[in-house]
Amino acid sequence: AQSVTQPDIHITVSEGASLELRCNYSYGATPYLFWYVQSPGQGLQLLLKYFSGDTLVQGIKGFEAEFKRSQSSFNLRKPSVHWSDAAEYFCAVAPASNTGKLIFGQGTTLQVKP
Amino acid sequence: DAGVIQSPRHEVTEMGQEVTLRCKPISGHDYLFWYRQTMMRGLELLIYFNNNVPIDDSGMPEDRFSAKMPNASFSTLKIQPSEPRDSAVYFCASSPGQGINQPQHFGDGTRLSIL
Repeated sequence: AQSVTQPDIHITVSEGASLELRCNYSYGATPYLFWYVQSPGQGLQLLLKYFSGDTLVQGIKGFEAEFKRSQSSFNLRKPSVHWSDAAEYFCAVAPASNTGKLIFGQGTTLQVKP
Repeated sequence: DAGVIQSPRHEVTEMGQEVTLRCKPISGHDYLFWYRQTMMRGLELLIYFNNNVPIDDSGMPEDRFSAKMPNASFSTLKIQPSEPRDSAVYFCASSPGQGINQPQHFGDGTRLSIL
């Protein structure tokens, strides 16, 4: 069965520092991968997605993610974190291309220190 | 556009009571999804609809849960009778069409507490 693992439950970084959030997936075919962000008290917002092609994808709010098939990973990165980036981040995989159904990881909570 | 609208934002009720959560998807979106978020289990898909028809309800935990979509602009998730373990945040999401290329837009959720 398809699954998504986010190894880090909680991460704290200083404002201005770089960020990398890890995501590993288990899927037999070409995965369709997503990163979502959830601010406190709000729903999820799509940051970026990977379907095929260039393995480095750019998203909103200065985020990017790199797909590495050999490592079954899709890590999210940002060069310089802002205090407003404090939120929970979810990695997700779509098990099929024609339904929109998503399987989410457990999430990583990002805390930003001033 | 107003986005996906969920009501109520918060619900506190006693065990055994019926609970109804409501969702208004974005106009023109053909797909509607109901999710449940808990600390223990994370974000789980409960059921989704296409053109008001339930497509996959395999995530619905048990018969106490039911979902309907009587028209394109309204859906309900009902729990009867409610139990303390149903306490969670319930999200509704909609997407404009079939396929993963159509991103899901989420509402702000309903925080449900069953006492």
